[in-house]
Amino acid sequence: EPEVTQTPSHQVTQMGQEVILRCVPISNHLYFYWYRQILGQKVEFLVSFYNNEISEKSEIFDDQFSVERPDGSNFTLKIRSTKLEDSAMYFCASSGDGLRGYTFGSGTRLTVV
Amino acid sequence: SQQGEEDPQALSIQEGENATMNCSYKTSINNLQWYRQNSGRGLVHLILIRSNEREKHSGRLRVTLDTSKKSSSLLITASRAADTASYFCATDNTNAGKSTFGDGTTLTVKP
Repeated sequence: EPEVTQTPSHQVTQMGQEVILRCVPISNHLYFYWYRQILGQKVEFLVSFYNNEISEKSEIFDDQFSVERPDGSNFTLKIRSTKLEDSAMYFCASSGDGLRGYTFGSGTRLTVV
Repeated sequence: SQQGEEDPQALSIQEGENATMNCSYKTSINNLQWYRQNSGRGLVHLILIRSNEREKHSGRLRVTLDTSKKSSSLLITASRAADTASYFCATDNTNAGKSTFGDGTTLTVKP
């Protein structure tokens, strides 16, 4: 079964450093998403991306965050200057048509120290 | 309560029994999704039901949606120990994948 692949599975970074979280969506999917889940809290929407631009973003997705699809296969989330409160599990998801369901990756656990 | 609230918070049953989890929401939606999450792992999409649908089945899973009551239920029949996980509902009123998740129901199925 096709999978969404996320790397790395766990990343530790110093506060203030930039991090890039990587995702390889399912190859024929057109819609891409990032979510995060702070430990013990709800899964929160960050951003959706279609046709090389952001479709929707949440209040969390401020100027510190950016997304990019640098080539035909990768979808990245960049956090420019990490804060302690950015520590969370970050999930990438993709969808074929944005209507019938989403496939999530296994997540990247980001720890900011 | 907030959008996408699951009930109960925790459910413990014996293998072979049915498990029913409920989700209530406040605003109108385009679709509602159910997910499973094993401890510390990723989210597994189970079923998406659209606002104009009332019931959907997938294997041992049955999801109902009542838009007049703004509620949905997930029924897992003939539960197995492997069904032990947290189950979340998520609502989308944008059709842009901007889903709002609930706190989840923690299901424990005892062998």
